[in-house]
Formats: sequence, structure tokens, C-alpha cells
Amino acid sequence: QVQLVQSGAEVKKPGASVKVSCKASGYTFITYDINWVRQATGQGLEWMGWMNPKSNNTASAQKFQGRLTMTRNTSISTVYMELSSLRSEDTAVYYCARAPSMTTLTGDYWGQGTLVTVSS
Amino acid sequence: SYELTQPPSVSVSPGQTARITCSGDALPKQFAYWYQQKPGQAPVLMMSKDTERPSGIPERFSGSSSGTTVTLTISGVQAEDEADYYCQSADSIGTYKLFGGGTKLTVL
Repeated sequence: QVQLVQSGAEVKKPGASVKVSCKASGYTFITYDINWVRQATGQGLEWMGWMNPKSNNTASAQKFQGRLTMTRNTSISTVYMELSSLRSEDTAVYYCARAPSMTTLTGDYWGQGTLVTVSS
Repeated sequence: SYELTQPPSVSVSPGQTARITCSGDALPKQFAYWYQQKPGQAPVLMMSKDTERPSGIPERFSGSSSGTTVTLTISGVQAEDEADYYCQSADSIGTYKLFGGGTKLTVL
């Protein structure tokens, strides 16, 4: 069965970076994009960006451009999301989600979420 | 910047029909998707490409599209349907994705 398993919770200081991993299993890794979505406590879903693991192409929402880096390691079917220059407003649960390539869908399967807390 | 607009809340009694709308200028050009999210859980895809129900989603969930508005309809609402619902689509070029603000469905 399709599974996306994310790394554990993180606590970071303002100005630092955080790197969250998303390990895929149950399907052919390079045939689906991975999207990243975040959700602050009590708030809605916010799309951050996507990566195509086969081509290594990425796209980020404008507000994250320059701060968001998405990479992958195809040998272990894992995508990474790194967000830099963290501020308190970045405190949120971060989700990865799988979507067929060349579609506007964000996710037919989702990871369990990773809580990132930014606090001094 | 482009936005998808949803009502903040919808309330219905069990067995009634709930309709949740999502409006956006690019919706005539781009598909919409619907997600259900319950507290403490990841979102679940409930409707794809405006009207396609993914495998395993109950038949009481349906989707429709008309112009700049898409609608998620839940017929015969059950208590277990109480959740937040989000529409999702993309900008007119299809590069950037976005979510609506979410609608809290309350089953009275």
C-alpha cells in the first residue's frame, strides 16, 4: 500500500533552517510528484511547492521563493523539504503529499505531518 | 493574487444535504479538488477533477462545476461527515497550486 512517512517533530530557533524528510513506499517513486503543504494551528492549508523526483524540477509558491529548497534521494525514495530563515510564523504542521505528474492535484496520499516549532 | 473563496461554515441536520461552494476566476480553466480534514489528521482527497470520486469515497459525496464556482455536495449527511473541507485548484497557467480557506461542516 502507498505510504508517505515523514520525519519527526522539530524545534528550531528563529533564523535557523529545518529539513523535513518524506519517505515513499508502495509505488514507483519517480512516477509521482511530491507536494509540500503546511498548516498553522487552527488555520487552513497552505500549498508551498512541488517536486518531480524524476526530472528534479521544482516550483514554489511565491511567498516561499528563496527560502524553500526541495531535494530528493531516489536510491531511498525520499524527498526533502528545507525551509530557511525561520520565523515564528513558520510554526506549523508540514505535510508531504503524492500527486500524479503533470496534474494540478496536490495529493491523493498524504504523509502523517511533521510539527515544526520556531521559538527562541 | 489569485484566491479561492469558500464559506467559513455550513451547518446541516443529519440526513439533509450539505452544499459547500468554492469560487475562483480560474476555475473554468482549472480542475478543482476537495479534501476532508478531521482534527489531528492529514487531509483526505474526496473529489478529483471537479466531479470524480476517488475509490473508497462514499457515493453520498458528489461534485459539480458551473462557471467560476465548484460545489461539493454531501447527500444524506452523517455525523461522521463533520469536518473541515478544503477546495484546491491552480492558477490559470497551472503551475502554482492553492487552497481555499476551508469550510467547517457542522452536523447539528
